Amino acid sequence: DAKTTQPPSMDCAEGRAANLPCNHSTISGNEYVYWYRQIHSQGPQYIIHGLKNNETNEMASLIITEDRKSSTLILPHATLRDTAVYYCIVGTGRRALTFGSGTRLQVQP
Amino acid sequence: GAVVSQHPSRVICKSGTSVKIECRSLDFQATTMFWYRQFPKQSLMLMATSNEGSKATYEQGVEKDKFLINHASLTLSTLTVTSAHPEDSSFYICSARDYGNTGELFFGEGSRLTVL
Repeated sequence: DAKTTQPPSMDCAEGRAANLPCNHSTISGNEYVYWYRQIHSQGPQYIIHGLKNNETNEMASLIITEDRKSSTLILPHATLRDTAVYYCIVGTGRRALTFGSGTRLQVQP
Repeated sequence: GAVVSQHPSRVICKSGTSVKIECRSLDFQATTMFWYRQFPKQSLMLMATSNEGSKATYEQGVEKDKFLINHASLTLSTLTVTSAHPEDSSFYICSARDYGNTGELFFGEGSRLTVL
């Protein structure tokens, strides 16, 4: 699976949009971009995934660049409960996902 | 959405004893489940892939005789930590992929093992 690069930490003000970047320059044509988050002492929670089109659900939006070498997860109105480690993972969807270090998002009141 | 449940959520045991952790897919069938381990302030590390009706596949460096995996049904996989030692203390997380629906990978709540 392709490797991803994320900033180790980010801060965001409550109520503002949180934009979490991810680089995956070696992504293959059949690999999806997945986003999960992990709140302290819990299992990872699925957020969203996409192949090449932008995606939106009730939790977030996923913007994938045209060359698919990077993506951005957008939490439109961050709340304190969004404080977590966010993982960007690339994979084919057939095997286990390989987790990197993720981005620790701290939402500030 | 699909739910994966783990039990127990926390367990404390004495060194040398064995501990079993259960992972269940509650509303879908999972022919494959994955077991991860997470040490404090580290990311999740894949330990093994559990296959229903066949032997598990272990990642390099994971002792198959120490971490026994059984996947006897399409909704249940178990991880048994045999002869546990303090260095086995960790957060164990299982996951299962809902191939019959969206194919997304869902995770359990995790099981925190503390070996005294």
